[in-house]
Amino acid sequence: QQQVKQSPQSLIVQKGGISIINCAYENTAFDYFPWYQQFPGKGPALLIAIRPDVSEKKEGRFTISFNKSAKQFSLHIMDSQPGDSATYFCAASMGRDDKIIFGKGTRLHILP
Amino acid sequence: KAGVTQTPRYLIKTRGQQVTLSCSPISGHRSVSWYQQTPGQGLQFLFEYFSETQRNKGNFPGRFSGRQFSNSRSEMNVSTLELGDSALYLCASSFETGRANTEAFFGQGTRLTVV
Repeated sequence: QQQVKQSPQSLIVQKGGISIINCAYENTAFDYFPWYQQFPGKGPALLIAIRPDVSEKKEGRFTISFNKSAKQFSLHIMDSQPGDSATYFCAASMGRDDKIIFGKGTRLHILP
Repeated sequence: KAGVTQTPRYLIKTRGQQVTLSCSPISGHRSVSWYQQTPGQGLQFLFEYFSETQRNKGNFPGRFSGRQFSNSRSEMNVSTLELGDSALYLCASSFETGRANTEAFFGQGTRLTVV
């Protein structure tokens, strides 16, 4: 129930294309869903986050779509660039709990 | 504003030894969490400290322990090291717990190799 399942494990996208990463969760008590981006040799950095009262959130080329009834959420990267090549983690947490449950990550590679 | 600082960056230890990792959070942040990152298991929560008290604990054996000091700096200790403890250990700090879901800022991690 504490798991967050992420797919795919790896993804290759042409420059200018759309990258899509999907996540699913079981615990309906989760109320905060952040996405983290990690470059080699660095710690994860918050990219964008959403709460379940919103179905979509957009920041620049990054959009989170959230489907509360299906308990799924996804990250869309529009006009993907080689600089977006990184590992992306979806995550979830609940209430005032600072414990973050991470998906296993998606290694994204954007072809130049 | 300085970010989260973890020391050392790299460590090589022998099986059976113990190790202490250090984390200095962002100034003003009182919550510090620790995570273990491995290729197979991804990022797994170890524990979280706030005001020198452990508030949350993940599913790791008792060989993994931590503490937080009055200046919010935190240390993590692993005793009787096993080969499987080889991982990147990440520390994250946030402004405060007790407030819903504040952003966690991660350090660069300590790469521990057990031989």
